[in-house]
Amino acid sequence: DAGVIQSPRHEVTEMGQEVTLRCKPISGHDYLFWYRQTMMRGLELLIYFNNNVPIDDSGMPEDRFSAKMPNASFSTLKIQPSEPRDSAVYFCASSSLTSRIYEQYFGPGTRLTVT
Amino acid sequence: AQRVTQPEKLLSVFKGAPVELKCNYSYSGSPELFWYVQYSRQRLQLLLRHISRESIKGFTADLNKGETSFHLKKPFAQEEDSAMYYCALLGGNSGNTPLVFGKGTRLSVIA
Repeated sequence: DAGVIQSPRHEVTEMGQEVTLRCKPISGHDYLFWYRQTMMRGLELLIYFNNNVPIDDSGMPEDRFSAKMPNASFSTLKIQPSEPRDSAVYFCASSSLTSRIYEQYFGPGTRLTVT
Repeated sequence: AQRVTQPEKLLSVFKGAPVELKCNYSYSGSPELFWYVQYSRQRLQLLLRHISRESIKGFTADLNKGETSFHLKKPFAQEEDSAMYYCALLGGNSGNTPLVFGKGTRLSVIA
């Protein structure tokens, strides 16, 4: 298993542009998490899904952020329009309640730079 | 409210010196605590959990409910320990609540 896969690994965009980050969780995992990592705030949970259903999106900073999980093997995090303060590393993680939910498997992250 | 506090953003120690990464939590119930680590150019991964009472790569962490702390310790730091360390809390008894992470501490071990 390749683990959690994220794309792109790096994204540089201009302010106002739409950005879409993608994630493929580990097969069989029923939980998927989106995090944002910055120097100031550390690791923040943005939203998480269980069986493709969003459970808690209270961490999503603004309406400019949206996330979807159309099926068990794919999720997107979209920022529209993007702003320079959105620059961060965005991580996707997955886990399984049937095994150990606390053992979250993280993807390599997408480093987003908004100029 | 569930909260994890890591008071140090950066901790620098010399190789061979003892290391203690501090973690305090706020939770009214009976928590599970974890340490995650992110080495340079690697993914964030689980290092250890308090229930296991295990030593991983020489690191140990004891849950102190009286002080609401879960400090990570190692008697002799090595250069390869340099990484970002996150303390995390699992609250709730349903087993399906997400982890709450601290802001992280970057450990730098100086040769």
